Amino acid sequence: AQTVTQSQPEMSVQEAETVTLSCTYDTSESDYYLFWYKQPPSRQMILVIRQEAYKQQNATENRFSVNFQKAAKSFSLKISDSQLGDAAMYFCAYRSASDMRFGAGTRLTVKP
Amino acid sequence: NAGVMQNPRHLVRRRGQEARLRCSPMKGHSHVYWYRQLPEEGLKFMVYLQKENIIDESGMPKERFSAEFPKEGPSILRIQQVVRGDSAAYFCASSLNRGKQETQYFGPGTRLLVL
Repeated sequence: AQTVTQSQPEMSVQEAETVTLSCTYDTSESDYYLFWYKQPPSRQMILVIRQEAYKQQNATENRFSVNFQKAAKSFSLKISDSQLGDAAMYFCAYRSASDMRFGAGTRLTVKP
Repeated sequence: NAGVMQNPRHLVRRRGQEARLRCSPMKGHSHVYWYRQLPEEGLKFMVYLQKENIIDESGMPKERFSAEFPKEGPSILRIQQVVRGDSAAYFCASSLNRGKQETQYFGPGTRLLVL
């Protein structure tokens, strides 16, 4: 079974600084999608960004970007110019044709 | 276009009672997924349904849990004879298509507390 690993249970960043959240995954498939979801204290799951495995170009959404290393099976999320509203749990997710898995999450704290 | 709706948002049950959780997918979405999230943990897949059909229930406990997605109306996750270990947040997600490229949109979740 595919697994998704987030090795950082907690991270903190100073407001306006940049932080990178790590995610690695294990799969034998070549075609899949990767996602980052944000879960604020309200606990709703919000899609932040997604990446298609067949695309070499890293996805970007405003202050959020990913560093996708397919060979290394790594999919990190970079948050630039961190804001207080970025404080949340962040979940990395893997999606293939038959399976969707989530990591255990990283709790991000933003210090004013 | 309203997002995924779940109700109730909070549900308290005593051991042995039944819990019914409802999920209305986004308009036009016919694929529904249920996940469970225990405190301080990630989401665990439970079941995937398409209208009137259960496609994948590999993550759902064999006993006491059932799910449906009727032709009309919301998807229902039903937990019979609840136990304290069932206390968790239950999230529903919907998607337009099935497949690796589809994006799942999540509802706000139902927090179930079993006393």
